[in-house]
Amino acid sequence: GNSVTQMEGPVTLSEEAFLTINCTYTATGYPSLFWYVQYPGEGLQLLLKATKADDKGSNKGFEATYRKETTSFHLEKGSVQVSDSAVYFCALSDRNNAGNMLTFGGGTRLMVKP
Amino acid sequence: DAGVIQSPRHEVTEMGQEVTLRCKPISGHNSLFWYRQTMMRGLELLIYFNNNVPIDDSGMPEDRFSAKMPNASFSTLKIQPSEPRDSAVYFCASRSKSPFSGPGELFFGEGSRLTVL
Repeated sequence: GNSVTQMEGPVTLSEEAFLTINCTYTATGYPSLFWYVQYPGEGLQLLLKATKADDKGSNKGFEATYRKETTSFHLEKGSVQVSDSAVYFCALSDRNNAGNMLTFGGGTRLMVKP
Repeated sequence: DAGVIQSPRHEVTEMGQEVTLRCKPISGHNSLFWYRQTMMRGLELLIYFNNNVPIDDSGMPEDRFSAKMPNASFSTLKIQPSEPRDSAVYFCASRSKSPFSGPGELFFGEGSRLTVL
């Protein structure tokens, strides 16, 4: 079956530090990959996505590259801000699944200190 | 445009009581999902509907949980009787049938935080 594994948090960084949150996946088909972000007290919202191998998704300074050879989709940002403090979820959607259902990782909490 | 609207935002109840959570999806979206989020288990899919029809309810924990979608603009998740282990944040999400929205692009509500004492 499909699964997503993320690095455990919390990840604590100082403002302007470089961020990497690791994500690896297992899928039976040809998945699309996503990063969702959950700010305190809110629901999840889509941050970025990539639909095929070697695609790079980017948004708000965050990037992630779909690496089929390593089955990874690591999230990076060159300089984090306090406002980036949130929980980040890696997810996949398998096109072979008729429902295009999302499989989520466990989430990684990021705390950015001023 | 209004997003996914959930109510209540917070609910505190006693064990054994019935709980009803409500969701209004984004207008025009044809798929609706109910998720539960806890510290221990993370985000779990409970059930999802396509065109108001339940497609997969394998995530519903037990018979105490039920969900309905009587029309395209409203869904309920009911727990009867509630137990302390049901305490969690329950999220509703919807998705458009438009091919331009892409697979997996869900729009989440702000959640309903349930505490069962």
